[in-house]
Amino acid sequence: QQQVKQSPQSLIVQKGGISIINCAYENTAFDYFPWYQQFPGKGPALLIAIRPDVSEKKEGRFTISFNKSAKQFSLHIMDSQPGDSATYFCAASINDKIIFGKGTRLHILP
Amino acid sequence: DSGVTQTPKHLITATGQRVTLRCSPRSGDLSVYWYQQSLDQGLQFLIHYYNGEERAKGNILERFSAQQFPDLHSELNLSSLELGDSALYFCASTRGRGRLQETQYFGPGTRLLVL
Repeated sequence: QQQVKQSPQSLIVQKGGISIINCAYENTAFDYFPWYQQFPGKGPALLIAIRPDVSEKKEGRFTISFNKSAKQFSLHIMDSQPGDSATYFCAASINDKIIFGKGTRLHILP
Repeated sequence: DSGVTQTPKHLITATGQRVTLRCSPRSGDLSVYWYQQSLDQGLQFLIHYYNGEERAKGNILERFSAQQFPDLHSELNLSSLELGDSALYFCASTRGRGRLQETQYFGPGTRLLVL
């Protein structure tokens, strides 16, 4: 019940395309859903986050879509760029504890 | 540069040994979080301290312990080390009392290799 399932494990997208990463959770008590971006050799960095009372949040080229009834949320990267190549982690938190997905390695072809 | 420092950057040790990882949060940040990242387990939350007090525990083994000192730096102690403890250990800090809605600033990590 504490798991967050993330897919796909890896993703290759052409420059300018849309990258989509999906996550699913079981515990309806989760109250915060952040996405992290991690470049090789670096620590994760918060990219964008959403609360369950909102269905969509957009920041620049990054959008989170949240489906509370399906217990799913996804990250969309519009106009994907080679600089977006990184590993992306979705997460869900409850009571100051955070559970991460396994990560998606995204590669944007130039 | 996030402003969070971690030492050492790399650590190689043997099974059964004990090591201490150190984290200095950003200036003014009161909360420190510890995470473990490995290939098979992914990124896992270990423990959270706020202003010297433990606030939340995640998947932290009993062989592991942490503390946050009055100057707000934190140490993660790993004992009776096993091969499976080989991983990257990150700490992160936040300004406030540590609600996860606050942006966490991650350090560069300590890479631990247990032989």
